[in-house]
Amino acid sequence: GEDVEQSLFLSVREGDSSVINCTYTDSSSTYLYWYKQEPGAGLQLLTYIFSNMDMKQDQRLTVLLNKKDKHLSLRIADTQTGDSAIYFCAGRNTGGFKTIFGAGTRLFVKA
Amino acid sequence: NAGVTQTPKFRVLKTGQSMTLLCAQDMNHEYMYWYRQDPGMGLRLIHYSVGEGTTAKGEVPDGYNVSRLKKQNFLLGLESAAPSQTSVYFCASSSPGGVYEQYFGPGTRLTVT
Repeated sequence: GEDVEQSLFLSVREGDSSVINCTYTDSSSTYLYWYKQEPGAGLQLLTYIFSNMDMKQDQRLTVLLNKKDKHLSLRIADTQTGDSAIYFCAGRNTGGFKTIFGAGTRLFVKA
Repeated sequence: NAGVTQTPKFRVLKTGQSMTLLCAQDMNHEYMYWYRQDPGMGLRLIHYSVGEGTTAKGEVPDGYNVSRLKKQNFLLGLESAAPSQTSVYFCASSSPGGVYEQYFGPGTRLTVT
């Protein structure tokens, strides 16, 4: 079945860019997501990309997809202390009922 | 809209006790899910439902049961709690189509002693 892997921690200074990486195993994943979890809360969809796209930009967020290497990344420009959270990479197949989540990357932003 | 709500927010159980976690959504979503979140392991799917009256097993279903008698509610039951079930439990819902975004509740922190 699908497996999604990501590193557990990332620490950056305020104002720097953050890059969170993810690899997935199922090449038939049609939808790839980044969810954000703030302390004490549930997950919220941050952004997504379809498998037929290479890049998606949304304000400070840039998602890059390398289908050949099954690698997904999330770049946050001008990282702020409010960006401190856990970021989950996730994938889903067309017609499937389940979304498979990675273990989450905890982003620490130092002032 | 309240979105997805979960009851209770916190609970402490003794080994062998039973309890039911309630999830409710007011978005008329077809799909509902129960996950558990453990440190370093991310979210693991326990059970899910693709419509009223239907349920299916996820990745880690043992020790849990679910029911979806009404479209807006999804109940997760622990018949005989074990310390290994200490976790944070999240309910989520989504609709078929679109980008299949999942909407999550705030979570229930369960401790089994």
